Amino acid sequence: DTAVSQTPKYLVTQMGNDKSIKCEQNLGHDTMYWYKQDSKKFLKIMFSYNNKELIINETVPNRFSPKSPDKAHLNLHINSLELGDSAVYFCASSPPMAGELFFGEGSRLTVL
Amino acid sequence: ILNVEQSPQSLHVQEGDSTNFTCSFPSSNFYALHWYRWETAKSPEALFVMTLNGDEKKKGRISATLNTKEGYSYLYIKGSQPEDSATYLCAFTPNAGKSTFGDGTTLTVKP
Repeated sequence: DTAVSQTPKYLVTQMGNDKSIKCEQNLGHDTMYWYKQDSKKFLKIMFSYNNKELIINETVPNRFSPKSPDKAHLNLHINSLELGDSAVYFCASSPPMAGELFFGEGSRLTVL
Repeated sequence: ILNVEQSPQSLHVQEGDSTNFTCSFPSSNFYALHWYRWETAKSPEALFVMTLNGDEKKKGRISATLNTKEGYSYLYIKGSQPEDSATYLCAFTPNAGKSTFGDGTTLTVKP
């Protein structure tokens, strides 16, 4: 059983399209995150949700909208995709009190 | 914006060498420091969580130390093996704050 699973793992799409990446965790964690691996391979936080509530929203274009239907799911929707959105997006979850992060396998988005 | 720095950025060693690298973080408002191992084409996996000044953690040939007063943590690998090749990330968590990742140290161990 995969603890944190993301779908799709690969996504190739055209500029201007709208796409979503889904994330589910079966660890019972209250907190979930989206990270972006940028062009220099560095991990940068985008969003964090705790019990379905947004608690961290970094400087991310408002074309990116996270949605958490319940505490086990955190989906990332991206409108009007741009070339610069091409990256690997990682979902993660963590237990309370600054516990370690458990990462999904990443979703590689390529915008043409 | 919290300053979490890792050095060196990359490191090449021979199999059998021992090595270490550094994570520097703000010395005030410390809550926790995590080390992660990130292999190519995989996702980061937690190695250690460190919360107390003077903490030393060990897992096999890998160990870590923590100095919260001066704001640094060292990761040591004894007798490096090719399978140790990965990027090692540290993440600093302040009190009531979000974690900030360093940019990682990429270790390559040559057979």
